[in-house]
Amino acid sequence: EVQLMESGGGLVQPGGSLTLSCAASGFAFSNFAMNWVRQAPGKGLEWVSSITSSGAYKYYADSLKGRLTISRDNAENLFYLRMNGLTVEDTAIYYCARGIGNHLKYYLDSWGQGTLITVSS
Amino acid sequence: EIVLTQSPGTLSLSPGERATVSCRASQSVSSNSLGWYQQKAGQAPRLLIYGASSRATGIPDRFSGSGSGTDFTLTISRLEPEDFGVYYCQQYGGSSITFGQGTRLDIK
Repeated sequence: EVQLMESGGGLVQPGGSLTLSCAASGFAFSNFAMNWVRQAPGKGLEWVSSITSSGAYKYYADSLKGRLTISRDNAENLFYLRMNGLTVEDTAIYYCARGIGNHLKYYLDSWGQGTLITVSS
Repeated sequence: EIVLTQSPGTLSLSPGERATVSCRASQSVSSNSLGWYQQKAGQAPRLLIYGASSRATGIPDRFSGSGSGTDFTLTISRLEPEDFGVYYCQQYGGSSITFGQGTRLDIK
């Protein structure tokens, strides 16, 4: 069974930084692209970032580019999202999701339960 | 960026009825790279349909997807109580991934 579990969320002050982690199990992690999608309270889904199976290619939403770093550790079945310069608009549940497809042409077939980031002073 | 617009915003129906959700893209979605997701309150989204019309593993056949180009439709043939929630379309044929704004399916 595919399982994805996010961690690392919490309360952070404006301007602060945070690293989210996603632990994967139940599938050959190194064969799949991975993605982050967020959802602000009461709002819809917003794609954030993707990384190819090898980690060679990384993609970011234009609105967030420059503040994000996505990475992965295929030996440990983990992948990460580092976020800098957080603002209140970054307050959201962040989901990790497995991608099926190639080079950002992914649909998302399995999702974690999400981790909440709250940006507030 | 391809913008997806869903309609209606809210749908109020009774169990047993047929539900139809529309997703219109601002430009043609290549290779019918469109998916549909269901999200229930407090839960993560769940993939229902990919490639515009292929059901994901374990999805009942009352869910179907259709369309091509810029116009896509999700149909639920006979609503079950567990089908109520929010539905999103997603395109993955462009230069980035985008989602529609969601359609809420409520119990009437």
